[in-house]
Amino acid sequence: KNQVEQSPQSLIILEGKNCTLQCNYTVSPFSNLRWYKQDTGRGPVSLTIMTFSENTKSNGRYTATLDADTKQSSLHITASQLSDSASYICVVTSNAGNNRKLIWGLGTSLAVNP
Amino acid sequence: DAGVIQSPRHEVTEMGQEVTLRCKPISGHDYLFWYRQTMMRGLELLIYFNNNVPIDDSGMPEDRFSAKMPNASFSTLKIQPSEPRDSAVYFCASAGGEQYFGPGTRLTVT
Repeated sequence: KNQVEQSPQSLIILEGKNCTLQCNYTVSPFSNLRWYKQDTGRGPVSLTIMTFSENTKSNGRYTATLDADTKQSSLHITASQLSDSASYICVVTSNAGNNRKLIWGLGTSLAVNP
Repeated sequence: DAGVIQSPRHEVTEMGQEVTLRCKPISGHDYLFWYRQTMMRGLELLIYFNNNVPIDDSGMPEDRFSAKMPNASFSTLKIQPSEPRDSAVYFCASAGGEQYFGPGTRLTVT
């Protein structure tokens, strides 16, 4: 069964600290993996997208890693800011012929406190 | 571009009433998606269109839900009759490659 599991479910950190969010998936065949940021009351916004051959991709203070062998991804946030408070969602795309499916994780809720 | 536009932003209705959610995708995008988001189940794809044609509606929960895309700049998601368990945030997204989400419609059915 295609699944995407994220941990932790929620996280509280102090402003300026770093944190790492985890995503484990059992999706086959794998096409790509995206991390989205969703602010409260808004739609998700894409942060990064990685294909099978990419190990690391950065977007400012956000760095995503992908280990296709262990089917794990992480999102590392450096020097957190109050505006990083949001839900972070991992999404894996599966392509089987003409059947393209996005499997969404439930997200990690991050709160950055002053 | 103003991005994906959804209306209304909030809808409160009574059980049994018809609800219509509206979406205007980003101009030039040929894919349109309808999602539902709840705390328990996260984001769920309900249906998506390519060039105004429904491609996959396997996520539509039951016959009470229907979606149309009469042209490239407009889509509706209708629930008739609505039930309390339909309460959720409904997102529309459009894509020419990457998906761009609208602000969502928060639906409360009492």
